[in-house]
Amino acid sequence: SQQGEEDPQALSIQEGENATMNCSYKTSINNLQWYRQNSGRGLVHLILIRSNEREKHSGRLRVTLDTSKKSSSLLITASLAADTASYFCATDRFQGYKLSFGAGTTVTVRA
Amino acid sequence: SQTIHQWPATLVQPVGSPLSLECTVEGTSNPNLYWYRQAAGRGLQLLFYSVGIGQISSEVPQNLSASRPQDRQFILSSKKLLLSDSGFYLCAWSPGLAGPYNEQFFGPGTRLTVL
Repeated sequence: SQQGEEDPQALSIQEGENATMNCSYKTSINNLQWYRQNSGRGLVHLILIRSNEREKHSGRLRVTLDTSKKSSSLLITASLAADTASYFCATDRFQGYKLSFGAGTTVTVRA
Repeated sequence: SQTIHQWPATLVQPVGSPLSLECTVEGTSNPNLYWYRQAAGRGLQLLFYSVGIGQISSEVPQNLSASRPQDRQFILSSKKLLLSDSGFYLCAWSPGLAGPYNEQFFGPGTRLTVL
């Protein structure tokens, strides 16, 4: 079953603007990961944040995790047209090798 | 470096026909392997995972089966396809015995249309 729920389902922004999407989950997790999927392609891992971390950065990406609220956010700063994709959160529920994926947020960056 | 291959990229099959999708991983040993299905505009549903040769765990009851005849080969099969089997099938791997932090690496996917 899907553990994570992304919000919003879709987002349209202008190039140069920031994009923020959220992920909520229901049970305790070991870590939370974000993936990107370009149309018709496989998923690409973006960033992993552990349950004892609150914020993590990777290039133009910033991820936060609030375990008390069971939520995470992904911020893409200074967006580019190439950031157009679907973004998924995935949670690891202490099962070592299984991830539960949300339904994703589709981001469209207009040039 | 590690790479993951899936084939075919696209497949159109009639209802009731058999199915065989193949996934192979290069550049690593004893990976954990996964099959996911993604319906149009939806998230990923885990179908099967494997932690070793011949070891298959099924996540949902369905018309599909999986096999791992070799360490780095994962096959998804069906004896008789249903219309509901249409979707985008993704194979993924993660480092075996990786402990609690398990990034997954995905293949390019197979688009299956059952008519």
